[in-house]
Amino acid sequence: AQKITQTQPGMFVQEKEAVTLDCTYDTSDPSYGLFWYKQPSSGEMIFLIYQGSYDQQNATEGRYSLNFQKARKSANLVISASQLGDSAMYFCAMRDDLGGSQGNLIFGKGTKLSVKP
Amino acid sequence: DGGITQSPKYLFRKEGQNVTLSCEQNLNHDAMYWYRQDPGQGLRLIYYSQIVNDFQKGDIAEGYSVSREKKESFPLTVTSAQKNPTAFYLCASRAAEETQYFGPGTRLLVL
Repeated sequence: AQKITQTQPGMFVQEKEAVTLDCTYDTSDPSYGLFWYKQPSSGEMIFLIYQGSYDQQNATEGRYSLNFQKARKSANLVISASQLGDSAMYFCAMRDDLGGSQGNLIFGKGTKLSVKP
Repeated sequence: DGGITQSPKYLFRKEGQNVTLSCEQNLNHDAMYWYRQDPGQGLRLIYYSQIVNDFQKGDIAEGYSVSREKKESFPLTVTSAQKNPTAFYLCASRAAEETQYFGPGTRLLVL
């Protein structure tokens, strides 16, 4: 069965430093997608970045990059130059493209990131 | 502005009462989703709909019902059969290609 694991319940980072949030996944399907979402205290889930299983290069979006290591089944999120506004919950999610799941997402339990001034 | 709206922001339910959470999108997305989030947890799928007049149960559908009569709307009813409804409910929609986009959420509390 598909599964997403985020092993860091909470992380601290100093403002302007880089931080890596870990995500490992488990699937037997060759085609899948990996997502990261940010959830501030307001509750809305904000899409950050996407990586397809067949993408040759790691995805980047501004200060966010996804360190995709397919053989290790990991999809870590790297945030460069942390800002106070980055303090939030971060969720890793996987979309299973096969097996009749119709593109549904499976979420990890999240990592709470706190940025210190 | 294109987006997903959910109402109300807060909802209170009395024992034995059915309540309905609204979700509307003007993104012209075919697929819509309802998730439940409990404190300190990730999201769990309640129901989803890939097309108008069709929907499927997710992982935790018991005690919930939905309808999809219009492309733009996917309301969720929390029935009296749902014994532990206190949670944060998030609606999402997706275009054909990939990413799910979320609404602002509804927080449901039991009186």
